[in-house]
Amino acid sequence: QSVLTQPPSVSGAPGQGVTISCTGSSSNIGAVYDVHWYQQLPGTAPKVLIYGNNYRPSGVPDRFSGSKSGTSASLAITGLQAEDEADYYCQSYDSSLSGWVFGGGTKLTVL
Amino acid sequence: QITLKESGPTLVKPTQTLTLTCTFSGFSLNTNGVAVGWIRQPPGKALEWLALIYWDDDQRFSPSLKARLTITKDTSRNQVVLTMTNMDPVDTATYYCVHRGRFQEFDYWGQGTLVTVSS
Repeated sequence: QSVLTQPPSVSGAPGQGVTISCTGSSSNIGAVYDVHWYQQLPGTAPKVLIYGNNYRPSGVPDRFSGSKSGTSASLAITGLQAEDEADYYCQSYDSSLSGWVFGGGTKLTVL
Repeated sequence: QITLKESGPTLVKPTQTLTLTCTFSGFSLNTNGVAVGWIRQPPGKALEWLALIYWDDDQRFSPSLKARLTITKDTSRNQVVLTMTNMDPVDTATYYCVHRGRFQEFDYWGQGTLVTVSS
């Protein structure tokens, strides 16, 4: 059972947009801690997609964006492409656990 | 350029102790603010943070695994070592070494090493 809650799966057609939610609590997302998002392509290590709630590392297309409000965060992907098909994880820090926490992951299927 | 690489056994028996080594380059664990951690991922399952060590030797552990984990650093060799005692088949996972970024994200990852626990 992950500390952060994500939908197990989302899907969308090429060119469309999807949003992946990440729900936490007052000890993690709802506190001062940032939310980060990772993309994991099949058979590879995760890579940072969004850090600090809404910053993109260089090389990440602006089709990917992040937001945070209250105890939740979201990852939005516009203009879906086949190469976006992957698992996506949110991550934050939890003061009650004194450690880093992840969501359960969301599998994005591009129809 | 920051790189990290995990090394260690691919197969361990139940009750044995696992020792994994992370060898990194492109940064120093002597530098203020730098930290290196370990994250694992059982096959088909989610990521789980395990442990992290700071430049000043401060150490943090997942509460659920704290009793079984040790993390140490060797700054002269640019290495971080994770040990996990009393291994069980449920500990079968890919273990990743990670660099912690400024925003508490994990900005660089090793390729991961699959550890299978089986008799």
